[in-house]
Amino acid sequence: DTEVTQTPKHLVMGMTNKKSLKCEQHMGHRAMYWYKQKAKKPPELMFVYSYEKLSINESVPSRFSPECPNSSLLNLHLHALQPEDSALYLCASSPKWEGASTDTQYFGPGTRLTVL
Amino acid sequence: RKEVEQDPGPFNVPEGATVAFNCTYSNSASQSFFWYRQDCRKEPKLLMSVYSSGNEDGRFTAQLNRASQYISLLIRDSKLSDSATYLCVVGAPYSSASKIIFGSGTRLSIRP
Repeated sequence: DTEVTQTPKHLVMGMTNKKSLKCEQHMGHRAMYWYKQKAKKPPELMFVYSYEKLSINESVPSRFSPECPNSSLLNLHLHALQPEDSALYLCASSPKWEGASTDTQYFGPGTRLTVL
Repeated sequence: RKEVEQDPGPFNVPEGATVAFNCTYSNSASQSFFWYRQDCRKEPKLLMSVYSSGNEDGRFTAQLNRASQYISLLIRDSKLSDSATYLCVVGAPYSSASKIIFGSGTRLSIRP
C-alpha cells in the first residue's frame, strides 16, 4: 500500500470557522509533511514531522496548527483563516527525515480549501 | 537568485521527440535531488531520484552535475501521456532556511 489519503477532498469555510484537514498513511513512514500549493505555483513546505515530533515549521502563521497524534496520522487544524489561504493543501510522507537528505515523498491527493 | 530555478516553458513538442529540462540550484551543500511530475489538479508523483552517477528508467534519464549545480531530465520518444508539469526538488542541508525546495515547474505539452 503506497497510498496517502487525505480528507476532505474539498472544504469551504468562513473566516471565523474552525476546521481540520486529515492525512493518513500506512506505509510505516516516520516522516510526514504539509504543503500548500497555489494555482500554477509549486508546493511550498509548511511543516515536517519526524517520529511524531515537529521538526520543521517554515514560519507558518499560527492560524495553521499541525498535530501528529500517531505515526500514521497527521492533522492540520485551521482557525481564523484569510481568503488568501485558499489553496490546495498537500500531505506527504517519506520513510524518514534526516535533515541533511530527503527520502522520496509520497503525496496524498490534497484538500482543496476555499476561504470565504 | 532563486534557490531552485527551472525554465517554466511551456515546451510544446511533437510525439516521438526528445526533450530535455534543466534545473539549477544555488546551495552547493544540497544532498538529494528528485524529479516529480504533476498532472493538472493532481498531486505530485515521483518520476525519479537523481544520483551523481546518473540514472535511467526506460525513456527517462536523469543526471546530476554537482560542479555546475544543475540536474537534468531527458525524455526520449515522448508520448502524449508525458504531458504534465515537471518539478525538480532539491533537499538542502538542515542549516538552510528551507529544507525541501521545489522548482517552479516546467510545463510540457506533447502534440500528436
